[in-house]
Amino acid sequence: QQQVKQSPQSLIVQKGGIPIINCAYENTAFDYFPWYQQFPGKGPALLIAIRPDVSEKKEGRFTISFNKSAKQFSLHIMDSQPGDSATYFCAAKRGDTASKLTFGTGTRLQVTL
Amino acid sequence: DAGVIQSPRHEVTEMGQEVTLRCKPISGHDYLFWYRQTMMRGLELLIYFNNNVPIDDSGMPEDRFSAKMPNASFSTLKIQPSEPRDSAVYFCASSSDRINNEQFFGPGTRLTVL
Repeated sequence: QQQVKQSPQSLIVQKGGIPIINCAYENTAFDYFPWYQQFPGKGPALLIAIRPDVSEKKEGRFTISFNKSAKQFSLHIMDSQPGDSATYFCAAKRGDTASKLTFGTGTRLQVTL
Repeated sequence: DAGVIQSPRHEVTEMGQEVTLRCKPISGHDYLFWYRQTMMRGLELLIYFNNNVPIDDSGMPEDRFSAKMPNASFSTLKIQPSEPRDSAVYFCASSSDRINNEQFFGPGTRLTVL
């Protein structure tokens, strides 16, 4: 059962644009929502994360928006750069399962010049 | 710290052969995860350990797959016998509850089964 649904599968934006990646979850027991960034040939790395007690978190050009009632969260990349071209995964963790993460299917982002 | 270390980085083998993937987690981390990544299925959790004990192996595809963690600094994922559909990138990750549950991934092992 896919517990975290991610869209779109791929995304192409021009430099300076604001790509938005969306995720939806079903399990209300999730209490931690990270985003991971993966460059080709590398393992995923934590980019930014949010807990459901806040509706938005910003770190540099990356922002997570969180809608608890809709069970949705999204990643926005402000002033996107070609160096942001990567695959982005959303994930979720249940409060009772320690470190185990459930990942979305990933979004391949390409930022063109 | 050197981060999570995986070996080999690339493995090419023939169908039916045994394959062993190795992982050294970050020192002090008490969780270790094995993932498989393919274009079709994305990033799948195969199994994870807490303090060297397997906690959830529900993602292990079948009996051909096995994983062990004999001590806090070493884990193996074994496939015997290997099949072409096992071709994927296998990642090991480690984490600690004391550090916000962030999972640190290794560079992965790209497995090709001919």
